[in-house]
Amino acid sequence: GAGVSQSPSNKVTEKGKDVELRCDPISGHTALYWYRQSLGQGLEFLIYFQGNSAPDKSGLPSDRFSAERTGGSVSTLTIQRTQQEDSAVYLCASSFKVTQPQHFGDGTRLSIL
Amino acid sequence: ELKVEQNPLFLSMQEGKNYTIYCNYSTTSDRLYWYRQDPGKSLESLFVLLSNGAVKQEGRLMASLDTKARLSTLHITAAVHDLSATYFCAVDMERNSGYALNFGKGTSLLVTP
Repeated sequence: GAGVSQSPSNKVTEKGKDVELRCDPISGHTALYWYRQSLGQGLEFLIYFQGNSAPDKSGLPSDRFSAERTGGSVSTLTIQRTQQEDSAVYLCASSFKVTQPQHFGDGTRLSIL
Repeated sequence: ELKVEQNPLFLSMQEGKNYTIYCNYSTTSDRLYWYRQDPGKSLESLFVLLSNGAVKQEGRLMASLDTKARLSTLHITAAVHDLSATYFCAVDMERNSGYALNFGKGTSLLVTP
């Protein structure tokens, strides 16, 4: 596809469950980013990947959050033991390299009951 | 810590009128981005401003950057209803061998007849 693809588009789960969010970046883009958008906090940076490595994980809100990227392509963001405050839209973006404009996916809307 | 402040946060304007949205940021950066977001949709890149004095125009929108004043403006000329959306400015934030975007809180624009 031509754009950044995220799945699922919506996820509803119970508090305490683990969730996995997937991002498929634009082909050839080496940099991949995760952001979170919520009413209270606006758009927050979570983590970025250059290739398969994540030089900066300081944006992750807690140790319940983790992310990986394999083959320099698909990335998954995992949230363990979800809490209600994790409810948000999780956006993924990619860019050709770190100094180039980022292209965003449609996001995953996560609701924790 | 890099702070990005937009104002106004809410703007209701009549069709045909002009208005400017302001984006101030707190530390030196050479790259500033403007994005548009429609309700329930992802972020659409509008402008990338890469140097002091940069000015870009697309249709009824014009963006400018003053890196010395750490200020960017998004000017709307003769607004039309289709411009109703939320507009975000974002500044590149250097992070451990890479960059990520630090967003303002967004300006919700409503254009009325």
